[in-house]
Amino acid sequence: GAGVSQSPSNKVTEKGKDVELRCDPISGHTALYWYRQSLGQGLEFLIYFQGNSAPDKSGLPSDRFSAERTGGSVSTLTIQRTQQEDSAVYLCASSLVLAGAAQYFGPGTRLTVL
Amino acid sequence: AQTVTQSQPEMSVQEAETVTLSCTYDTSENNYYLFWYKQPPSRQMILVIRQEAYKQQNATENRFSVNFQKAAKSFSLKISDSQLGDTAMYFCASLSGAGSYQLTFGKGTKLSVIP
Repeated sequence: GAGVSQSPSNKVTEKGKDVELRCDPISGHTALYWYRQSLGQGLEFLIYFQGNSAPDKSGLPSDRFSAERTGGSVSTLTIQRTQQEDSAVYLCASSLVLAGAAQYFGPGTRLTVL
Repeated sequence: AQTVTQSQPEMSVQEAETVTLSCTYDTSENNYYLFWYKQPPSRQMILVIRQEAYKQQNATENRFSVNFQKAAKSFSLKISDSQLGDTAMYFCASLSGAGSYQLTFGKGTKLSVIP
């Protein structure tokens, strides 16, 4: 079946602009995750959605970052007033809600803030 | 807090040979899961293998196998008959505790397969 898809593949923006990154999980996966991969920090957890439960936002680095998941499927990660340190690859993953379930990742969005 | 350590930033192996990538982890939980992911230049993070800590048997997926040493908190990945397509970054990751969902990743090992 289809894997996790993300769009856009690459995004170049100017400092101070807002950006939206989209993730479409594997059909039937009710858990969805966002991670950030940057050279200095490695892979960092950002946010977790499970079904209709309140999301775990504990990994979001600042209040400029927000995410939503509409209809339990597609998710959008929004970064407001982008800064150069936001430049990174943003990875989305999805999984079944089972103990130790493997997370399956999308191809990521590479964000470059000039 | 969980930690995952990959002590080999870069490795290389001749095509058709065998290579082992090291990973150690630290957790206070009894119930946890360990993973190896591969990230080729295409950037897609691909699941290679999964190990449940309460299972003593080492997980195997075709040419990929793990050596899980629970007491030593070691989880190494062995790639047999290395192929050019195995060239990638390899990340070790852990998922600890009941209800846990945040993967903790190591820094990665860059593997190059040489023809």
